[in-house]
Amino acid sequence: GAVVSQHPSWVICKSGTSVKIECRSLDFQATTMFWYRQFPKQSLMLMATSNEGSKATYEQGVEKDKFLINHASLTLSTLTVTSAHPEDSSFYICSASPGQRSGNTIYFGEGSWLTVV
Amino acid sequence: AQTVTQSQPEMSVQEAETVTLSCTYDTSESNYYLFWYKQPPSGQMILVIRQEAYKQQNATENRFSVNFQKAAKSFSLKISDSQLGDTAMYFCAFMKQEMRFGAGTRLTVKP
Repeated sequence: GAVVSQHPSWVICKSGTSVKIECRSLDFQATTMFWYRQFPKQSLMLMATSNEGSKATYEQGVEKDKFLINHASLTLSTLTVTSAHPEDSSFYICSASPGQRSGNTIYFGEGSWLTVV
Repeated sequence: AQTVTQSQPEMSVQEAETVTLSCTYDTSESNYYLFWYKQPPSGQMILVIRQEAYKQQNATENRFSVNFQKAAKSFSLKISDSQLGDTAMYFCAFMKQEMRFGAGTRLTVKP
């Protein structure tokens, strides 16, 4: 079946540095991908909608300059956490869909655990 | 914006028994999708069941079934013959353009 892959699964970075997380659709093209953040024992909160070839659409309260999203191809979206701080430590997960022809089936990546020290 | 409400932060059930998890949502849309996802400690999102709003028949997947009440905007999940492996966080989700989640219910199945 369709698979969405995220990399890295785990990352530890120093405060003030930037870290990039990749989300790839392995066997389908995704014009739209979604990025979520999940703090411990909380729900998945939508951060932004990543649109291939155009700017991402950010949810209210999400800093565009801090969470840079690039969707340069139909199979890859990246989330870059810039100038990371300990409060950015979280579980980040992406999702993608092949579209209506798949019945709007949504596939999730495995998620990426970010720890900022 | 659509909101999804799960009013049960935690639930427990004895193995082999039946449990129902509640979910309500708010939307002005007529066509949309509803989902239940299971999330174990690994973080992986596992689709349990999904329902298209235009279908009146309640979706079923083996031991999992839903009670979809469109007029009441209610979408509860029933787990029959609960198994120890069902222990996890369960999230209800609504999707029109993007998917939005409820706060989740932590389900514990006791032996």
